[in-house]
Amino acid sequence: DAGVIQSPRHEVTEMGQEVTLRCKPISGHNSLFWYRQTMMRGLELLIYFNNNVPIDDSGMPEDRFSAKMPNASFSTLKIQPSEPRDSAVYFCASSRVKSTEAFFGQGTRLTVV
Amino acid sequence: GNSVTQMEGPVTLSEEAFLTINCTYTATGYPSLFWYVQYPGEGLQLLLKATKADDKGSNKGFEATYRKETTSFHLEKGSVQVSDSAVYFCALSDLGNQFYFGTGTSLTVIP
Repeated sequence: DAGVIQSPRHEVTEMGQEVTLRCKPISGHNSLFWYRQTMMRGLELLIYFNNNVPIDDSGMPEDRFSAKMPNASFSTLKIQPSEPRDSAVYFCASSRVKSTEAFFGQGTRLTVV
Repeated sequence: GNSVTQMEGPVTLSEEAFLTINCTYTATGYPSLFWYVQYPGEGLQLLLKATKADDKGSNKGFEATYRKETTSFHLEKGSVQVSDSAVYFCALSDLGNQFYFGTGTSLTVIP
């Protein structure tokens, strides 16, 4: 199994631009999580999906952030417009519902200048 | 609500020293407990887990025991190596399949 695949690995963009992060979960997994990691705030859960349905998006910082999961094998996290304070590493993770572990991707390091 | 509290770092140890990283949790019901490890520039990897009280998870010389009476899941290793330098996260998952992570503890092992 290829594991959770995230793209791109690195993204540098200018303030105000739209940024789209992508995630392919492990085949057969039906829960998907988006996390943000910064030195100041640690690891924060942004949103998670069960069976492609958003269950809890209370961690999404503001309306500039949106996430979709159009099918079981793909999810996107979009920031529009981006701001320098959005600079962080964004992780996607997946698991089976009622499973006992989550598998993480390698992360996308986003820098907004 | 559910939450995890783990000991603040950073922790610096000499090679072959004994390691303990404390973790306590608050949860409703009977959560599963985990330790994840993050090496520089990488995502989190599952190190070990325990799914019920008194279970001991172990992997690569690391151990942690699920203690319901003290709501703890402390990570231990008898003899650390330089290659163990990483950030360690304690976590729990509840019946809703949501995962709750601690703030992470950075470990540096010096030769």
